Amino acid sequence: ILNVEQSPQSLHVQEGDSTNFTCSFPSSNFYALHWYRWETAKSPEALFVMTLNGDEKKKGRISATLNTKEGYSYLYIKGSQPEDSATYLCAPDSNYQLIWGAGTKLIIKP
Amino acid sequence: DGGITQSPKYLFRKEGQNVTLSCEQNLNHDAMYWYRQDPGQGLRLIYYSQIVNDFQKGDIAEGYSVSREKKESFPLTVTSAQKNPTAFYLCASSMGQGIAHGYTFGSGTRLTVV
Repeated sequence: ILNVEQSPQSLHVQEGDSTNFTCSFPSSNFYALHWYRWETAKSPEALFVMTLNGDEKKKGRISATLNTKEGYSYLYIKGSQPEDSATYLCAPDSNYQLIWGAGTKLIIKP
Repeated sequence: DGGITQSPKYLFRKEGQNVTLSCEQNLNHDAMYWYRQDPGQGLRLIYYSQIVNDFQKGDIAEGYSVSREKKESFPLTVTSAQKNPTAFYLCASSMGQGIAHGYTFGSGTRLTVV
């Protein structure tokens, strides 16, 4: 079973500031890396699926990078807004099973 | 609109009782999954099914059972053998395994044993 680490566990960011957080995973048997956003009282929502080393994906103010050789992915949020408050989950796909990190809880302060 | 429906949202169970959580999808997805979430932990896989009439144990299947008689439905039964059933349960579906498809999640069921 993979060991997936997300850091930090929680993060308070001032509205308008940019931020980033990390997902670390073992680099062996890697197929893909998923990022999800989970807002309180809602369902987790897919943000990105990344497969290639060096991949960079972007969705509005949110972007992610992937390093499969060293086993990490960064998620960046530019100009944080209150609606970005959520828990961000990463899940590497190894042997066709997603292994979930515990998430980074992001709180945007107005 | 297509999606996944989980019911009920909240469920209370007495110790020693079995209880069934419903999960229905109209996305025509082949694969379905049940996860459990406990505070401070990642989602843990209970059971998954890649195709109708077939399902596999996940990492924490003890005390749970599932069925997949229809493509749209994947109910989870929490049996009295599950020693610590109080948790948040999430159902998900995807187009299939072996492909880097994203998952679609339901809104979850919070089970409390009283």
